Amino acid sequence: AQSVAQPEDQVNVAEGNPLTVKCTYSVSGNPYLFWYVQYPNRGLQFLLKYITGDNLVKGSYGFEAEFNKSQTSFHLKKPSALVSDSALYFCAVRDMAGYSTLTFGKGTMLLVSP
Amino acid sequence: EAGVAQSPRYKIIEKRQSVAFWCNPISGHATLYWYQQILGQGPKLLIQFQNNGVVDDSQLPKDRFSAERLKGVDSTLKIQPAKLEDSAVYLCASSLEGGNLYNEQFFGPGTRLTVL
Repeated sequence: AQSVAQPEDQVNVAEGNPLTVKCTYSVSGNPYLFWYVQYPNRGLQFLLKYITGDNLVKGSYGFEAEFNKSQTSFHLKKPSALVSDSALYFCAVRDMAGYSTLTFGKGTMLLVSP
Repeated sequence: EAGVAQSPRYKIIEKRQSVAFWCNPISGHATLYWYQQILGQGPKLLIQFQNNGVVDDSQLPKDRFSAERLKGVDSTLKIQPAKLEDSAVYLCASSLEGGNLYNEQFFGPGTRLTVL
């Protein structure tokens, strides 16, 4: 069975500082990995995905994520946080092999202070 | 491009009552998903449609939940009768899919259900 772990319920960072939101995964085969963001009272918005190739993936709003196969991680990063980045972030995984559904982590709340 | 539409946005019902949610996916998206998101958790897939056929409903509580996607476009999710533990946000999503598991999903704003 596939799974996603987001070990931090909340991440606090000051505006202008770099941010990292952690994600580790478990699949039997190779993964497709995704990051989504959820603002209050809104649905999830796609940020970025890893399919294959370059381990550093760039996405929307200046976010990027690094795929590390040996550590089974896909941490979300941004060089300089904005107050408007404050939201709930979800990591998700899908096994490349055969049919599989998208499995989400429990989410990490990012709070960026002015 | 219009996004995924859902209605209603909020619903409050008594336990044992029935409720229905509606979703209209992005035009041209063959795959439609219904997720349940309980407070403090990530979305959990209830059912996935490819056009008007069910691909996966293994996590759908079939004794009380039902869903249909007539004509392969919009979809309805129904709960009858509702239980207290059904209180959650119900998210609809769509994607191009077509066998490509790496396509991102586009989510609607969700329906927040409160069962009293």
